[in-house]
Amino acid sequence: DAGITQSPRHKVTETGTPVTLRCHQTENHRYMYWYRQDPGHGLRLIHYSYGVKDTDKGEVSDGYSVSRSKTEDFLLTLESATSSQTSVYFCAISPGSSYNSPLHFGNGTRLTVT
Amino acid sequence: DAKTTQPNSMESNEEEPVHLPCNHSTISGTDYIHWYRQLPSQGPEYVIHGLTSNVNNRMASLAIAEDRKSSTLILHRATLRDAAVYYCILSSGTQGGSEKLVFGKGTKLTVNP
Repeated sequence: DAGITQSPRHKVTETGTPVTLRCHQTENHRYMYWYRQDPGHGLRLIHYSYGVKDTDKGEVSDGYSVSRSKTEDFLLTLESATSSQTSVYFCAISPGSSYNSPLHFGNGTRLTVT
Repeated sequence: DAKTTQPNSMESNEEEPVHLPCNHSTISGTDYIHWYRQLPSQGPEYVIHGLTSNVNNRMASLAIAEDRKSSTLILHRATLRDAAVYYCILSSGTQGGSEKLVFGKGTKLTVNP
């Protein structure tokens, strides 16, 4: 299995509080991604990174920010959590941006915003 | 973006072959066909991908129609561990990379003992 660790695995937080989710990889892959998964919507891309300090928005980026100060870590921050951000969050990595580089996913973080 | 159409669900019996269909009638000449699967309570897992020719790996086979408007993921002998949601996804071979992969709702495969 690709060396991807997401933390925490589960979190319950209150509306309006900031939350940071961490994705750590040991593969030295250049590309890292954050997705959310909700019933009826499948997986949707939030943000991605193509290198240290290089990030871009995905399909559902509103309300989220990311940072990547080291190759191995990609942080997802909810500045002020809302109930609509209750979801399962997955981190993924890949060695290249091309269509030929498979994504490898972590096991997810289940976030509940009350 | 080219889209894919998959059945919502399928059932199979253990140790029998499974053929999971995917229609992609608007596929362009440079689009790759990817398959991922997601086991319960886990992240998606890469299965296989191809462009024009049929592909085989240790997990599955990918059969691509001659006109490329459809493809089939073949699990040669289903096991209980193959029960998962299977996603068929297209990615452009010329524009962007993995960030362009769009995961739809997939096919939920149930494997009966």
